[in-house]
Order: sequence, then C-alpha cells, then structure tokens
Amino acid sequence: ETGVTQSPTHLIKTRGQQVTLRCSSQSGHNTVSWYQQALGQGPQFIFQYYREEENGRGNFPPRFSGLQFPNYSSELNVNALELDDSALYLCASSLGGRGSYNEQFFGPGTRLTVL
Amino acid sequence: AQSVTQPDIHITVSEGASLELRCNYSYGATPYLFWYVQSPGQGLQLLLKYFSGDTLVQGIKGFEAEFKRSQSSFNLRKPSVHWSDAAEYFCAVAINTNAGKSTFGDGTTLTVKP
Repeated sequence: ETGVTQSPTHLIKTRGQQVTLRCSSQSGHNTVSWYQQALGQGPQFIFQYYREEENGRGNFPPRFSGLQFPNYSSELNVNALELDDSALYLCASSLGGRGSYNEQFFGPGTRLTVL
Repeated sequence: AQSVTQPDIHITVSEGASLELRCNYSYGATPYLFWYVQSPGQGLQLLLKYFSGDTLVQGIKGFEAEFKRSQSSFNLRKPSVHWSDAAEYFCAVAINTNAGKSTFGDGTTLTVKP
C-alpha cells in the first residue's frame, strides 16, 4: 500500500504565473484535502474534494482551484501567483463517508517559492 | 468560526524529562480535537484525537492528551521525552468528524537537549 505522494517536491515561479500541484491519494481513499502552510504557521484549509466534487472550501480566493480525477488523485491550481503564495502545500487523503471519521494521511508537501 | 491557539512557539526539554504542550481552542459546540507531529521533510502524522467520552486519550509514541472543556484546552503530554521526539507539533480542531477540514494552530517546535 503506497502512501500519499505529491509532485513536484519543490517549485520556483514568478509573480503572475500559474502553477499546478499534484497529489496521489493513498490506495482506496476517495477524499483529498489541500492545505497551505506558510513559514512559521500551521496548515490552512484550502478545499476538499470527495468523489470528484468539491466538498467545502476555506478562505481562499477563486484563483485557487482544484480538481479530483476518477482515480481520486487531485490537482491544485493557482493562477496569477502572488509573493504571499510562497508556502508548503500539503495534501491529505482519507476514506470519506457521511458522518464517519477516517484518519487523513498527509503527503510530504510541495514547496512553492514565488519570486 | 473555530480557532486554535498554541501559546508556546518553541519549547526545549532535556531528554528523559516530561513534556506538556499547550493547546487552547475556541468553538461553541463540542469540538473534535487532534494533535499532529511534523518532522522535517515529512508530512503530518496523527498522534491522537478526541471526539467524546474519556477526556484522557492515549496516542502513539507514548503521547497522551487531556480534554478540559472548562478551560477550552487539549494539552499534549509525554512522561519521558526521547531525542527522536524533536519535531513540530500541531493542535487542530474540526467541527465534525470530517478531519479534512480542520483548523490548525501555528505549532510548537520541540527541541530535545541530550
């Protein structure tokens, strides 16, 4: 059973560019959550996808968008990059279901630097 | 909206000493509480969780936490710290069992002296 993987590990972009980050869920998991972790801060919830549908969103602007594929892997897209978007982006997968708790497992993250 | 405060940014303890990391939450109803550990270059790992019932919960790696509703706290403890416990620790709160929408504190960095 493979864990949660993310690609790329590191990424450097310039202001105004667009970026796509990828996450492969743990085998059997149908839910993916994305978080932004700025330096010296805790992770902040961006959004969650459950069975290819968005299932909740945090306080992030629309230029942060996502996608979940039939195999439950996921992408995070950020348009019009700003310097403040520099952060570690974490994804976490779990086996979701109405009213049930299932542990979320985190990937190692993608370090995005915006210059 | 819920929030989490971890008052201690950085804590240093000697190996073998006891540890307590503080966490205070703000949420009007019954919270779902978590502690995670993050080692450099690795993702967060769940140490323990509290949903209901016994207010003292046991976790992995010898950690435990106590939920105190009257103090809105969920402090993490370990009786004897090992050098490998050096890491960053995050407290998180969720409003239901969907842990994927958790609100995290800003973390406490633990340094262990030999």
